[in-house]
Amino acid sequence: DTGVSQDPRHKITKRGQNVTFRCDPISEHNRLYWYRQTLGQGPEFLTYFQNEAQLEKSRLLSDRFSAERPKGSFSTLEIQRTEQGDSAMYLCASSAPLPGQGHPEAFFGQGTRLTVV
Amino acid sequence: AQSVAQPEDQVNVAEGNPLTVKCTYSVSGNPYLFWYVQYPNRGLQFLLKYITGDNLVKGSYGFEAEFNKSQTSFHLKKPSALVSDSALYFCAVRVYGNNRLAFGKGNQVVVIP
Repeated sequence: DTGVSQDPRHKITKRGQNVTFRCDPISEHNRLYWYRQTLGQGPEFLTYFQNEAQLEKSRLLSDRFSAERPKGSFSTLEIQRTEQGDSAMYLCASSAPLPGQGHPEAFFGQGTRLTVV
Repeated sequence: AQSVAQPEDQVNVAEGNPLTVKCTYSVSGNPYLFWYVQYPNRGLQFLLKYITGDNLVKGSYGFEAEFNKSQTSFHLKKPSALVSDSALYFCAVRVYGNNRLAFGKGNQVVVIP
């Protein structure tokens, strides 16, 4: 499978616990993105990496959230002290440059559905 | 700021009839426009994009979309809908140099056999 891979697919956790999600992008893609999607809404941007550098973070990414991409390949998203409001689908996407077009389309993984009880 | 509006919550269409899903956008600068489809408990699948050039773009599964700069619209169309097209459709926009996609809230498409 050469698509974006996310693990786990589902996570149920108790409020206050820490959780970590993993994303493996398409191998030749140097840009990696995290989005969050709640029920009935479109995905909302959280953060993005170019190679190992985290170049942009949304205001949605509170201090309890941290993302890393240590070797410019896979990425992790950690949520500390989870709250019920963190329940959502967390989507990872990656993209690669096309000549003259920048990085037009992103390819998404199947997501990690987090439920905080 | 960049934003997308998808005015209809749900689109119902009979199988074999034309399907249209509406999208309007607001950006500063030239837009890159995208359509994605989402099946239950799945991620988003890329359908098609407009970057530059011809206003009518063709994508996967027989879908096409028309970029209209004067109306700031990018409506998704399919000449003959299939039951398997029933899904959630998202329009998204970004501008060159901006790294984040702005998504609409999505349209549920229901194709009735």
